[in-house]
Amino acid sequence: EEQLVESGGGLVQPGGSLRLSCAASGFTFSSYEMNWVRQAPGKGLEWVSFISSSDGPVYYADSVKGRFTISRDNAKNSLYLQMNSLRAEDTAVYYCARDGYQVLAVWGQGTLVTVSS
Amino acid sequence: QSALTQPASVSGSPGQSITISCTGSSSDVGGYNYVSWYQQHPGKAPKLMIYDVTKRPSGVSNRFSGSKSGNTASLTISGLQAEDEADYHCASYTSSSSFGGLYVFGTGTRVTVL
Repeated sequence: EEQLVESGGGLVQPGGSLRLSCAASGFTFSSYEMNWVRQAPGKGLEWVSFISSSDGPVYYADSVKGRFTISRDNAKNSLYLQMNSLRAEDTAVYYCARDGYQVLAVWGQGTLVTVSS
Repeated sequence: QSALTQPASVSGSPGQSITISCTGSSSDVGGYNYVSWYQQHPGKAPKLMIYDVTKRPSGVSNRFSGSKSGNTASLTISGLQAEDEADYHCASYTSSSSFGGLYVFGTGTRVTVL
């Protein structure tokens, strides 16, 4: 079964940092591009970041550019999101999602990030 | 960042058909056949229901169908069932550099089965 499992969420103070992880299983992780998508409480989905399957382009939403860094370790079947300078508006459930050529085909269950003092 | 516009809520009785619209621009919905739809039950992860405007992934009921006209895409659920009650989100690939992104999502629609 194709599966994505996020971890690393939690409560962090404004200005703090957090690193999210996404463990992939059931498919050849290194063959797929990956994304992070977030959902603030009671709100819609917001695309956050994209990374190609190997050394290649990465993209970010303007709302996180310069503060968040996406990366991956294909040997560990893992995707990461390093989040720095966190703000209250970054509070959300963060999902990792497998890219399937302009479609987000497989999603994890999400991990909650709360930015509050 | 401008999200795609969806109605906040749509409702219908069991067995009826409902349609959810998703309006964007020529930089996203109107410019590419890369519109997808996601179903999300409360507290759960989104699930892909439609991709490339009209295609259904394996395992998704044929009661779900997609279409597009100009800058507006639509999701139709026919033979509405209780388990269809959920939030539905559209998404589109975008060439817009206004937010530096690849995907833009809709505002989301709550479907209620009366």
